[in-house]
Amino acid sequence: KAGVTQTPRYLIKTRGQQVTLSCSPISGHRSVSWYQQTPGQGLQFLFEYFSETQRNKGNFPGRFSGRQFSNSRSEMNVSTLELGDSALYLCASTYSTGELFFGEGSRLTVL
Amino acid sequence: DQQVKQNSPSLSVQEGRISILNCDYTNSMFDYFLWYKKYPAEGPTFLISISSIKDKNEDGRFTVFLNKSAKHLSLHIVPSQPGDSAVYFCAALRSFTGGFKTIFGAGTRLFVKA
Repeated sequence: KAGVTQTPRYLIKTRGQQVTLSCSPISGHRSVSWYQQTPGQGLQFLFEYFSETQRNKGNFPGRFSGRQFSNSRSEMNVSTLELGDSALYLCASTYSTGELFFGEGSRLTVL
Repeated sequence: DQQVKQNSPSLSVQEGRISILNCDYTNSMFDYFLWYKKYPAEGPTFLISISSIKDKNEDGRFTVFLNKSAKHLSLHIVPSQPGDSAVYFCAALRSFTGGFKTIFGAGTRLFVKA
């Protein structure tokens, strides 16, 4: 079956703009998590959604938000972009075991 | 507050030798520990896991050891192969009512030299 799909794969924005990233989980997976990867920081947890509800949230400012739709697809939004938001944003889905299946990520560059 | 720490940013090993990647954690409430492997331009992929009630789990060339008293786990790769060159992330999972949360370390880049 198809893996986790993230779009867009690459994007460039300028400071102050906002961005929306999309994630389609593996069919049947209802939990979707988002992570930010930056050099030296590893994977920083942003939030997790299950059945359209945010169940968990990491320590990121309110500029980072997300949502999940009834078909389990998820989006994350970053408003008022800052240079430090440049990173690889990874989406992961899971069924129930906790093992995360990751997409290839969306690489955001903020100029 | 880094609950999962990988203190070695990189490790270089000769092909055929053992690779040992280390990870420390601070929270005794974690239920599972997992290792993920990441190649450039790809998302991380699950490699191996261990329950917090076990002290060893083996899968082919990969073995994970858990020392709960020291809050330390390690991943052993024997024998190491050039294709093992990647970034390895240690992760800790905690279950709670209604879900779970996975915390990752900063990663260790493994170079296996032919």
